[in-house]
Amino acid sequence: QSALTQPPSASGSPGQSVTISCTGTSGDVGGYNYVSWYQQHAGTAPKLMIYEVSQRPSGVPDRFSGSKSGNTASLTVSGLQAEDEAEYFCSSYAGSDNYVFGSGTKVTVL
Amino acid sequence: QVQLQESGPGLVRPSQTLSLTCSVSGASISSHSYYWTWIRQPAGKGVEWIGRIHSSGDTTYKTSLKSRVTISLDTSSNHFSLRLTSVTAADTAVYYCAREPVTRINWFDPWGQGTLVTVSS
Repeated sequence: QSALTQPPSASGSPGQSVTISCTGTSGDVGGYNYVSWYQQHAGTAPKLMIYEVSQRPSGVPDRFSGSKSGNTASLTVSGLQAEDEAEYFCSSYAGSDNYVFGSGTKVTVL
Repeated sequence: QVQLQESGPGLVRPSQTLSLTCSVSGASISSHSYYWTWIRQPAGKGVEWIGRIHSSGDTTYKTSLKSRVTISLDTSSNHFSLRLTSVTAADTAVYYCAREPVTRINWFDPWGQGTLVTVSS
């Protein structure tokens, strides 16, 4: 059982948007603005896509955006492209040098 | 370009010690700017942060694993290592190493490809 809850799957057609939720508690997602999102294609290393809830590292397309409301963070992928088909998992700081992660959401581009 | 690569035995017997190495290229693990981190993902389950080490030698471990985990640095070989003692089937997972800037929180990048470790007799 993961500390953060994500839906197992999400899908959308090319050009559409898909939003993935990540639900935690006031001790992690709700308590800190240190939520990150990672993209992982099958057999490859995870890649940081969003940090500090809504910030994009250099090189990440602006089609990827993050937000947070209460204990739930969200990742939105706009203008879906075939290359966006991957597993996405969230992570949150949980205080006292502790980090918690979600179990991942498989995004399928129809 | 910074790259990390995990290596080590793919099979460990129950009650034995799991030992993995993360080789770093494109950056020096002696840099004071980064933590070097181990993370794992059991099959079908969520990712779990294990712990980290700084070039100063300071370590931080997940509370529930603290009694069994040791992370160390080998600056001469530019790699860092993970030791997990008294393993059980629950320790079967893909193990990743990653880098985290000291100026950031929850910012792991890059990651290694991961290595599967199975605990079984």
